[in-house]
Amino acid sequence: DVKVTQSSRYLVKRTGEKVFLECVQDMDHENMFWYRQDPGLGLRLIYFSYDVKMKEKGDIPEGYSVSREKKERFSLILESASTNQTSMYLCASIPGLAGSYEQYFGPGTRLTVT
Amino acid sequence: GESVGLHLPTLSVQEGDNSIINCAYSNSASDYFIWYKQESGKGPQFIIDIRSNMDKRQGQRVTVLLNKTVKHLSLQIAATQPGDSAVYFCAEGGGADGLTFGKGTHLIIQP
Repeated sequence: DVKVTQSSRYLVKRTGEKVFLECVQDMDHENMFWYRQDPGLGLRLIYFSYDVKMKEKGDIPEGYSVSREKKERFSLILESASTNQTSMYLCASIPGLAGSYEQYFGPGTRLTVT
Repeated sequence: GESVGLHLPTLSVQEGDNSIINCAYSNSASDYFIWYKQESGKGPQFIIDIRSNMDKRQGQRVTVLLNKTVKHLSLQIAATQPGDSAVYFCAEGGGADGLTFGKGTHLIIQP
């Protein structure tokens, strides 16, 4: 079974802190994604990566950056956390093969910025 | 931009009845559609998918219907059980740069 893991289930950080959210997948998937999920807004794409050291902006990249140094790991970085970044963060991956679009999700990280 | 939406934020059904969750999409170029189930405190889990060259696909107790004429997608759950209680998302896409998700419908099962 595909497994996508996220480093923390719950995080509480202070405004202005630098925050790292880690995501690891164990199925050699090419493409990885970071979403945030907010009530009434659904899942919104922050960044995605289709290869090591490659990254693409999603719909709401402002205030975030990402890092993909290894194929299995995709990190989301909040350079200076703000209260409006309090949210559920979901990581996902897909094989990257043509015609294979099902995304496998991690359990999510609920981040609270105070 | 293009959007995918759900008609109802909450759907309440009696245990044992069939559930139908609807979704409208606006990108006529999408060729792949997927339904996810998200239980409280968990990440979304794949339920079923369908490609644009099909209009119906069945799984175990679930059926997805695609009407490309009106850009409508539905998920039918037969004999709804308490374990079906969750938020259901539709999503559409056609490439490796991600899916566009609807906002979700919360399915509530009445005993």
